[in-house]
Amino acid sequence: AAGVIQSPRHLIKEKRETATLKCYPIPRHDTVYWYQQGPGQDPQFLISFYEKMQSDKGSIPDRFSAQQFSDYHSELNMSSLELGDSALYFCASSLGRTERTGYTFGSGTRLTVV
Amino acid sequence: AQKVTQAQTEISVVEKEDVTLDCVYETRDTTYYLFWYKQPPSGELVFLIRRNSFDEQNEISGRYSWNFQKSTSSFNFTITASQVVDSAVYFCALSSQDNYGQNFVFGPGTRLSVLP
Repeated sequence: AAGVIQSPRHLIKEKRETATLKCYPIPRHDTVYWYQQGPGQDPQFLISFYEKMQSDKGSIPDRFSAQQFSDYHSELNMSSLELGDSALYFCASSLGRTERTGYTFGSGTRLTVV
Repeated sequence: AQKVTQAQTEISVVEKEDVTLDCVYETRDTTYYLFWYKQPPSGELVFLIRRNSFDEQNEISGRYSWNFQKSTSSFNFTITASQVVDSAVYFCALSSQDNYGQNFVFGPGTRLSVLP
């Protein structure tokens, strides 16, 4: 069965650079969630989208932005990268925002800022 | 490769019943951590417990208890006297380190519905 695809798997950037992380949800899933997990920390919810509109907002820094496209894939754009942005970034998808019929997490993108 | 299996996709119980959520993991690492998270409809992941691979002691926290069995690679979660507010999706997760840093793998989740 198709899973949530995140790209790239690993990314190394320098301070003040920008990065774009991509998430391709399971086919027909219309809801996407982004999480950030720093070293030794729990995943922190950043933002979610339902039907291409922002749904919920968590602890996403102003330097980050995200959107969901017409094909339901989502991109997390990160600018002016800081060392503290080094983390695992997970994307999850589900069908329906309120139905919660099934969450699936991707394998994550490991971002290292040097 | 690391893998977390939660065979129960959905469970429904009536309030005050006990319920156990199963978690089976696969890893070749000798040092690893196991987690349980609760995910309410808001999307947040609420941390419930972390257990390292060298600590097989079972843990109880209020109505929650966890049974770590290394021999069967299982880390099951039991809610005693369930309540409607326990309704959520519960994720089991596995974490270890490799040469590139931390690996973190989520299970598929179990949706628990507690009916009044």
